[in-house]
Amino acid sequence: AQTVTQSQPEMSVQEAETVTLSCTYDTSESDYYLFWYKQPPSRQMILVIRQEAYKQQNATENRFSVNFQKAAKSFSLKISDSQLGDAAMYFCAYTFGNEKLTFGTGTRLTIIP
Amino acid sequence: DTGVSQDPRHKITKRGQNVTFRCDPISEHNRLYWYRQTLGQGPEFLTYFQNEAQLEKSRLLSDRFSAERPKGSFSTLEIQRTEQGDSAMYLCASSLSGRGGEKLFFGSGTQLSVL
Repeated sequence: AQTVTQSQPEMSVQEAETVTLSCTYDTSESDYYLFWYKQPPSRQMILVIRQEAYKQQNATENRFSVNFQKAAKSFSLKISDSQLGDAAMYFCAYTFGNEKLTFGTGTRLTIIP
Repeated sequence: DTGVSQDPRHKITKRGQNVTFRCDPISEHNRLYWYRQTLGQGPEFLTYFQNEAQLEKSRLLSDRFSAERPKGSFSTLEIQRTEQGDSAMYLCASSLSGRGGEKLFFGSGTQLSVL
């Protein structure tokens, strides 16, 4: 069974600084997709970034980028120039194609003004 | 595009009662998903539909749970004879099926409290 592990229950960062959230996963599939979702206090899950496993190039979306290490089954999220609005729970998620996502337990990110 | 909407936002019920939640997906999306999220955990997959067909159900979905999507548009999730362990947030999501790994759009969830 696929599993997703987020080993950092909580992280904090000073506003405007950079923070990296960790995620590891376990799968026997070779073609799959990885995601980072953000869940603010409003509770609505919002997609932050998406990575296709067959692409070696790391995905980037403005201030958000990933470090995808397929052999190590690692998928970390880097947030640059952190802003107050980035404060939220961040979930790493995996699917091998039918959009049935397997989520990690989340990392609560606090931004310090 | 008004997003995925869920109703009600909160539901408090007594143990043993039946409850029903509704999800309205984004109109052109043919896939609809239900997830359950308990405190301190990530969402767990319950079931999903492609159009009106229910294609997969998790083992988490006991026979007290039933989900429908009668016309391939909105969906309902019913829990019969609720138990305190059913207390959780129930999230709905929708997507447009494609070649795989498509983006899911989530609603804000229904928070269920069973007393």
